[in-house]
Amino acid sequence: EVQLVESGGGLTQPGRSLRLSCITSGFTFGAYSMSWFRQAPGRGLEWVGVIRSKAYSRTTEYAASVKDRFTISRDDSKNIAFLQMNSLRTEDTAVYYCSRLFSDNGDYVSDYWGQGTLVTVSS
Amino acid sequence: EIVLTQSPATLSVSPGERATLSCRAGQSVSTTLAWYQHKPGQAPRLLIYGASTRATGIPARFSGSGSGTDFTLTISSLQSEDFAVYYCHQYYTWPRTFGQGTKVEIK
Repeated sequence: EVQLVESGGGLTQPGRSLRLSCITSGFTFGAYSMSWFRQAPGRGLEWVGVIRSKAYSRTTEYAASVKDRFTISRDDSKNIAFLQMNSLRTEDTAVYYCSRLFSDNGDYVSDYWGQGTLVTVSS
Repeated sequence: EIVLTQSPATLSVSPGERATLSCRAGQSVSTTLAWYQHKPGQAPRLLIYGASTRATGIPARFSGSGSGTDFTLTISSLQSEDFAVYYCHQYYTWPRTFGQGTKVEIK
């Protein structure tokens, strides 16, 4: 069974850092690209970024709203993806989700998602 | 970025009735369009990808159609567990984007 579990969320102050983890099981983690998404209170889903698999050089893409502040990485030996969030702002307050990307004829869409971890940025 | 506009924002439907949700893209996304169901406190659930392909384990009452800029998700006979928020999502290009969601509520 495919499982993704996010952790590392919590309350922090503006300007501080936080690192989220996405612990996975039930699939060959190293073969898949992974994405992070978020949902701010009362808002819809927002894509945060992606890290491709080793086969695609573990390259990354980010939303403009988090570029240069957030970094996605992965540890294929431990089946974990990370989201390092620096210089946090109040508007980064959200539930953060990780997901697995699967190939739809070469286009990549998120199939399995975790249940999310809440990040609250407040002074 | 590609803007996705969903309508209506809220859909009130009685159990057993048909629900039709729309998603319009600001530019063509071919068929790289997915639909997700999202309930509070739960992981989003992939229903449809490739505009019309049901994901693994999704009941046949869910169907998707469309290509280019106009897409539809149809739930043929609403069950109690189907009341949720539904999002369309394009994976044609970066950045990935979502519609603002359609809430399907009990009439």
